[in-house]
Amino acid sequence: AAGVIQSPRHLIKEKRETATLKCYPIPRHDTVYWYQQGPGQDPQFLISFYEKMQSDKGSIPDRFSAQQFSDYHSELNMSSLELGDSALYFCASSLQGLAGNTIYFGEGSWLTVV
Amino acid sequence: AQKVTQAQTEISVVEKEDVTLDCVYETRDTTYYLFWYKQPPSGELVFLIRRNSFDEQNEISGRYSWNFQKSTSSFNFTITASQVVDSAVYFCALSDILGGGSYIPTFGRGTSLIVHP
Repeated sequence: AAGVIQSPRHLIKEKRETATLKCYPIPRHDTVYWYQQGPGQDPQFLISFYEKMQSDKGSIPDRFSAQQFSDYHSELNMSSLELGDSALYFCASSLQGLAGNTIYFGEGSWLTVV
Repeated sequence: AQKVTQAQTEISVVEKEDVTLDCVYETRDTTYYLFWYKQPPSGELVFLIRRNSFDEQNEISGRYSWNFQKSTSSFNFTITASQVVDSAVYFCALSDILGGGSYIPTFGRGTSLIVHP
């Protein structure tokens, strides 16, 4: 079965640069989530979209923005990168309306800021 | 206040031992969902199980079993006859409505399980 696809899988950027992560949810899923997982940390919720509209906002820095497009893929844009942004970024998707809204995660995008 | 507590930071066992990973949660919502995810060294988060607050029936899937007890707000995960491939970080997560407009999972700190051959 198709899973959540994230790209790129690995990314190295310098401080103050910009990075964009892409996410393609499971087909027919209408909700996309972004999580950030620092080294040795648990995943922290950043932001979510339902039917292309922002639905919930977590601990996403102002330097970051995200959107969901008409084909349901989503992009996380990170600007003025800092060393502390180095983390594993997960995209996840679910289908609203099903009890429990089981959220399936992609394999993650490793961002290293140097 | 942390909503999901995984008190065990790291557990080390020898292959074929049984091991239980503890998860205690906190919510005032009456409808909520609990999850377990596995994160192997390669980094991906693999969904293992979802349980809603109205279903306290325990579940078994092969060597995995889950014990959900609302009375103690716990959702423990047991691996029977552990194998080296079970080595991973295991996250318990809680999804409730309070504090947000939709169900967003909040993760515990994770328990690192190391299974030695």
